[in-house]
Amino acid sequence: EAQVTQNPRYLITVTGKKLTVTCSQNMNHEYMSWYRQDPGLGLRQIYYSMNVEVTDKGDVPEGYKVSRKEKRNFPLILESPSPNQTSLYFCASSLGRHNEQFFGPGTRLTVL
Amino acid sequence: SQKIEQNSEALNIQEGKTATLTCNYTNYSPAYLQWYRQDPGRGPVFLLLIRENEKEKRKERLKVTFDTTLKQSLFHITASQPADSATYLCVPMNRDDKIIFGKGTRLHILP
Repeated sequence: EAQVTQNPRYLITVTGKKLTVTCSQNMNHEYMSWYRQDPGLGLRQIYYSMNVEVTDKGDVPEGYKVSRKEKRNFPLILESPSPNQTSLYFCASSLGRHNEQFFGPGTRLTVL
Repeated sequence: SQKIEQNSEALNIQEGKTATLTCNYTNYSPAYLQWYRQDPGRGPVFLLLIRENEKEKRKERLKVTFDTTLKQSLFHITASQPADSATYLCVPMNRDDKIIFGKGTRLHILP
């Protein structure tokens, strides 16, 4: 089944404790993105990747890192999480930037 | 700066009627425009893509128009059903690499 998977689905952590949210797709897509969604602010792009080893900042990259060592995986790293990073996070992939994006199920992160 | 405006207030439509959602954009010259549906707590699901040289696109009960002069896209759901209740997101896409979503319009189809 074609899908985007994210793990964990739910995470409660404390300020400053490094964490990684994994994202994997099985559709051989080149374009991958991370978004955060907050009430009243909508869906905002954090980072995106056009292909392996090619990543770039979206609209709200501060406090996040990503890597794209393999085509299928695009982990999101929070080196020192803060409470303002409490949010619902989505990973997405598409064949190319203008193609339909397939979204993962979301990761609900709470930083205390 | 680039700005996308979708009806910020929820739209209530009687079942069976046509729902029309608006997406206006400024400081954009999108080559493509996408529409997504999102249910609470779930990721968006792609519905339709329309290109700048297309005026209209249809898929089953869905119709999208794209007016590059008015800088506006309209999204129509005909013969609406309660199952169409969701938030609908507009995504005008320039040729550069970032993707910016509109904040969406919540649609309620009343039985």
